[in-house]
Order: sequence, then structure tokens, then C-alpha cells
Amino acid sequence: DAGVIQSPRHEVTEMGQEVTLRCKPISGHNSLFWYRQTMMRGLELLIYFNNNVPIDDSGMPEDRFSAKMPNASFSTLKIQPSEPRDSAVYFCASSDWGQVNSGYTFGSGTRLTVV
Amino acid sequence: SQQGEEDPQALSIQEGENATMNCSYKTSINNLQWYRQNSGRGLVHLILIRSNEREKHSGRLRVTLDTSKKSSSLLITASRAADTASYFCATASTGRRALTFGSGTRLQVQP
Repeated sequence: DAGVIQSPRHEVTEMGQEVTLRCKPISGHNSLFWYRQTMMRGLELLIYFNNNVPIDDSGMPEDRFSAKMPNASFSTLKIQPSEPRDSAVYFCASSDWGQVNSGYTFGSGTRLTVV
Repeated sequence: SQQGEEDPQALSIQEGENATMNCSYKTSINNLQWYRQNSGRGLVHLILIRSNEREKHSGRLRVTLDTSKKSSSLLITASRAADTASYFCATASTGRRALTFGSGTRLQVQP
């Protein structure tokens, strides 16, 4: 398995533009998580899905952020409009929901810079 | 909000020495996990300890869990330069599937 695949690896965009981050989880994993990492706030959970259904989106900062999981092999995180304070590394992770005591597999992350 | 707080924030040791990192958390948990993150990379799962376990070993890693004190420690024995990374504890709170991560310990192993 190629692991969790995120794209793009790096994204530089201007304030006000729409940004879409993509994630392909590990085949067979039915839980998907989006995290954001910054120096100031560390790793923050944004949203997570089970069987493609959003379970908890309380970590999504504001309405500018939205996430979808149209099928078991693909998820997107969209920011519209983007702001400089959204600059961070965004990670996607997947796991097996049926295994309470199992770890996550993380992607390599997308480093977003909003100028 | 961050559940786990790690101590120390940074640690520098010589190759061959042992490294100990500590983690404290606030709520009841199903399990506690440790992850490693190399600079510019994603997190890698190292080891998981269940709430009813007190100690677990995996290669050069030893994890302890004290649920009465809501704390855990990660010991890396005979450290190597390749162990240089940030280490995070993460907790799976009872009734919640998503992991909450601590602030991390930056480990520097000098060759």
C-alpha cells in the first residue's frame, strides 16, 4: 500500500483565493481525519469521517472551511476565501474504525502558505 | 484544545544514551499512543498502550501508563542519531474516536 496520499505537497496562494486540499486514505480504512499543524497551536483536529459520514466538525475554524468525503477513497478540505492566518501544514490521516485500539496512518501533509 | 502536555519540550542527548519523555493528559482514555515526526514529514505511529495496561515494549521503545496520575512516559534506549525527531503523545478519550495530540518533545541525538 502506498500509504495515505495527500496533494499538493505545497501550495502558495493569495489571500481571498479558494484552496482545495486532497487526500486518499489507505484502502480498507473507514475513518479519515483532517488535522492542522502550526507552531503556535500544535496539532488541531479539524474534522473526521466514519464510512464517509462527517462525525465531528467542531474543530473547523469557521464557515470558510468545508470538507467532503464523496467516497471511501477520496476526501477534500476546501478553504474559501483563504486568509494569511490559514497558513499551516494540513495533515490527513486514516484508521480502521472497527479497531478501537489502532493507530493512525498519516499522509505527508500539505504545506499551505497564504500571502 | 490540546489534551496532552509533554515534558520536556526539548531534549538533547548523546548517541547511546537513553531518552525519556513524559506526557500528561486530562480525561479518561481508551488508549494512549506515541508518534514520531521527522522534520517536514508526517507523523508515524510508534506504539499504543491500552488503558488497562501499565507497560509495553517495542524494540528500543518502552512505554508506561499511570491512569491514576493521568501520565505516560516514553523511553528510547540506546539512542541513535536517526532518532532525532519530535515525539508526540496522543490520547483517545473515552467515547471519542479522534485522537488529541500533545505539544510534543523535540529530541536531538548528537552523534
